[in-house]
Amino acid sequence: GENVGLHLPTLSVQEGDNSIINCAYSNSASDYFIWYKQESGKGPQFIIDIRSNMDKRQGQRVTVLLNKTVKHLSLQIAATQPGDSAVYFCAENSGNTPLVFGKGTRLSVIA
Amino acid sequence: DAGVIQSPRHEVTEMGQEVTLRCKLISGHNSLFWYRQTMMRGLELLIYFNNNVPIDDSGMPEDRFSAKMPNASFSTLKIQPSEPRDSAVYFCASRAGGPTEAFFGQGTRLTVV
Repeated sequence: GENVGLHLPTLSVQEGDNSIINCAYSNSASDYFIWYKQESGKGPQFIIDIRSNMDKRQGQRVTVLLNKTVKHLSLQIAATQPGDSAVYFCAENSGNTPLVFGKGTRLSVIA
Repeated sequence: DAGVIQSPRHEVTEMGQEVTLRCKLISGHNSLFWYRQTMMRGLELLIYFNNNVPIDDSGMPEDRFSAKMPNASFSTLKIQPSEPRDSAVYFCASRAGGPTEAFFGQGTRLTVV
């Protein structure tokens, strides 16, 4: 019906705690992975990326972990802040192909 | 650079009307992607171009949808005739070759009544 939509997984985190958002990907040929943040009314914004020859990459307050064996990607946000509240998408591709996006996880930060 | 620029930001139109969405790429980027986002389906790829050439349009829902790149910095997505089920947020994104991050515009929210 009209009101049926994607059931986005939701993660609720207390301000100051660490957040972990998980993503499973399906294409074993993918060699590039990326996390985007999408705030209400805006386009997706790049957070951090990782290539398949790495298993961990760190940015400012964010860390991405890649486990190719089980095709799993995670995003860790340290000291979560209210401004981190958004929908987070993982995406994958290989070569010059387009990014294929996951369904997204909604992060809600409780002040 | 001002980033990827989409226009209009909001469009409300009546069923049957033609709708044209516009996108200006980031200077120097050679790949262009059109995505559609809905609650039902999330972010779906509609079509993408490399060096102004359409590579894969298998995501375009019907013949009512068409996309062009008249030059290296500009693209249009046209829906003719529009239908209520086309209501969604349409994003374009550009990239400087892959694999690397794609930069998204702010989107066009289309409502067809």
